[in-house]
Amino acid sequence: SQKIEQNSEALNIQEGKTATLTCNYTNYSPAYLQWYRQDPGRGPVFLLLIRENEKEKRKERLKVTFDTTLKQSLFHITASQPADSATYLCALSGYSTLTFGKGTMLLVSP
Amino acid sequence: ETGVTQTPRHLVMGMTNKKSLKCEQHLGHNAMYWYKQSAKKPLELMFVYSLEERVENNSVPSRFSPECPNSSHLFLHLHTLQPEDSALYLCASSVQYGSSSVEQYFGPGTRLTVT
Repeated sequence: SQKIEQNSEALNIQEGKTATLTCNYTNYSPAYLQWYRQDPGRGPVFLLLIRENEKEKRKERLKVTFDTTLKQSLFHITASQPADSATYLCALSGYSTLTFGKGTMLLVSP
Repeated sequence: ETGVTQTPRHLVMGMTNKKSLKCEQHLGHNAMYWYKQSAKKPLELMFVYSLEERVENNSVPSRFSPECPNSSHLFLHLHTLQPEDSALYLCASSVQYGSSSVEQYFGPGTRLTVT
């Protein structure tokens, strides 16, 4: 069965450092991979989408890589700020649907 | 604001009650979704209305009944729920191009508590 794995433990980093979050998947060949941010008690907010034929995508301080051979995506936040503290969700695209991972909580301390 | 609104934001209901959740999108999208989010579990897709076709997750109990009267409105009718149905219910919308699935825009959610 399809499986998406994200670090279950919270990631704690110091302000100004680069945060790196991992998304691994098995038994899946997604055309797209997406990353969302979710704050407590709120709906997820779309951040970035990367296609299977793209290796890297950037948006301001965010960078996503997609390795279809390793079945892995890495999500980087450079120069992290306390306001970046949230849960980050990885999602794989299928026909008309998304399958989400459980998410990784990021805590950026000043 | 994402352009997707949900009402009510909080709902407490007994197991014998009937209630409905409402979702409205102002983005001109042609696909709408209901998700359930329980603590420490991934978002669980419940129902999809895409290009006027309903796709449902067969594991959703019949006590949950969706309705999509048009491309901007989506309802989730609830009846005889169980305590384990307590969760955050999220509505989302997106543009659907044939077989392509692009980014989804979520509403703020309805926090449901079943007593």
